[in-house]
Amino acid sequence: QVQLVESGGGLVKPGGSLRLSCAASGFTFSDLYMSWIRQAPGKGLEWVSYISSSGTTIYYADSVKGRFTISRDNAKNSLYLQMNSLRAEDTAVYYCAREGLPGYGLDYWGQGTLVTVSS
Amino acid sequence: QSVLTQPPSVSAAPGQKVTISCSGSSSNIGNNYVSWFQQLPGTAPKLLIYENNKRPSGIPDRFSGSKSGTSATLGITGLQTGDEADYYCGTWDSSLSAGVFGGGTELTVL
Repeated sequence: QVQLVESGGGLVKPGGSLRLSCAASGFTFSDLYMSWIRQAPGKGLEWVSYISSSGTTIYYADSVKGRFTISRDNAKNSLYLQMNSLRAEDTAVYYCAREGLPGYGLDYWGQGTLVTVSS
Repeated sequence: QSVLTQPPSVSAAPGQKVTISCSGSSSNIGNNYVSWFQQLPGTAPKLLIYENNKRPSGIPDRFSGSKSGTSATLGITGLQTGDEADYYCGTWDSSLSAGVFGGGTELTVL
């Protein structure tokens, strides 16, 4: 069965860095586009970044551009989000999701990992 | 605020029907497919509708989607207490080159 498992969240000081990972299983990871979406406490969903199946096409939300880097290792069935220069407003649960269906069909999501940016 | 506009909340009685609207622009809904997601309390979002009106395997036909111009609508019939959740529309915005979501709609089944 399809599984996406995020890890790497935690408490970090403003200006600090974290690297999130998303381990994929149960499907051919290298075939699908992947995204990171976050949700601040009590708030709605915010799209963060997207990477194509080969990793050659990448997009970022303006709010994280220049600070976050998405990457993937298809040999390890893993997706990553390197987060630098973290701010309080980056505090959120971060989800990885696969685009397994066309037309923004984010059909499987991980359980999320909480990132808290606070001094 | 969000690029896509949804009502903050809707409510209806069990067994009734409810619709949730999602308004955007030509750069997002107008020229891209719309998806809808359900988020039950304390859980990850779940895909309900993709490509405007298609349901993934396992999603009951009580859930439907439609799109007209720069707006989309999610419909839920035969409401159940288990449908109480937050619902989000989402799509790609070609001008922003970014994914966008609505602000979410909280459904209460009275």
